[in-house]
Amino acid sequence: DAGVTQSPTHLIKTRGQQVTLRCSPKSGHDTVSWYQQALGQGPQFIFQYYEEEERQRGNFPDRFSGHQFPNYSSELNVNALLLGDSALYLCASSLTGTDTQYFGPGTRLTVL
Amino acid sequence: GENVEQHPSTLSVQEGDSAVIKCTYSDSASNYFPWYKQELGKRPQLIIDIRSNVGEKKDQRIAVTLNKTAKHFSLHITETQPEDSAVYFCAAPYSGAGSYQLTFGKGTKLSVIP
Repeated sequence: DAGVTQSPTHLIKTRGQQVTLRCSPKSGHDTVSWYQQALGQGPQFIFQYYEEEERQRGNFPDRFSGHQFPNYSSELNVNALLLGDSALYLCASSLTGTDTQYFGPGTRLTVL
Repeated sequence: GENVEQHPSTLSVQEGDSAVIKCTYSDSASNYFPWYKQELGKRPQLIIDIRSNVGEKKDQRIAVTLNKTAKHFSLHITETQPEDSAVYFCAAPYSGAGSYQLTFGKGTKLSVIP
């Protein structure tokens, strides 16, 4: 039973660039949520995807966008990167209508 | 939305002692309260959760209690071991349209001293 996977593990970008992060949910799950975890903080909700549409969104600017594919995998895109976007980006998968979320290992993004 | 407060931010205990971490939440409609353990450089791992129809849930050395009237819930770890050292996060959901958006506390760094 495959767990949640994410790629890449680490990424270094410069200010103004764009980045794409990827997530594959746990087998049997159809919903993917993305979180940003700054150093020393708890994860903060970015948005959630279900049936290839954004279902909920947290307090993040439009520079953050996403996509979900028919196989339930998902991408997180961040445009015009800022230094403050440096963080661990986590995806969590769940089955719609249920509350339990399982996290992937995360992508560590560093913006220089 | 939901607001979650977590205390303490750091906690040091001797091996074998108990540890208690407390969280409060603001949304009285919340009905699911998970706890995650995050070791350095690793993913948050779900260790226990509780739903609003029960007041306490145990899993070996870990227990969670819930007081819906006071809007707080706590994590209890008994007979602590060095491998319990990690950052622990509580969370509460904002639910809508069949989905669950988790709001996390700021975390408690637990150190178990051998």
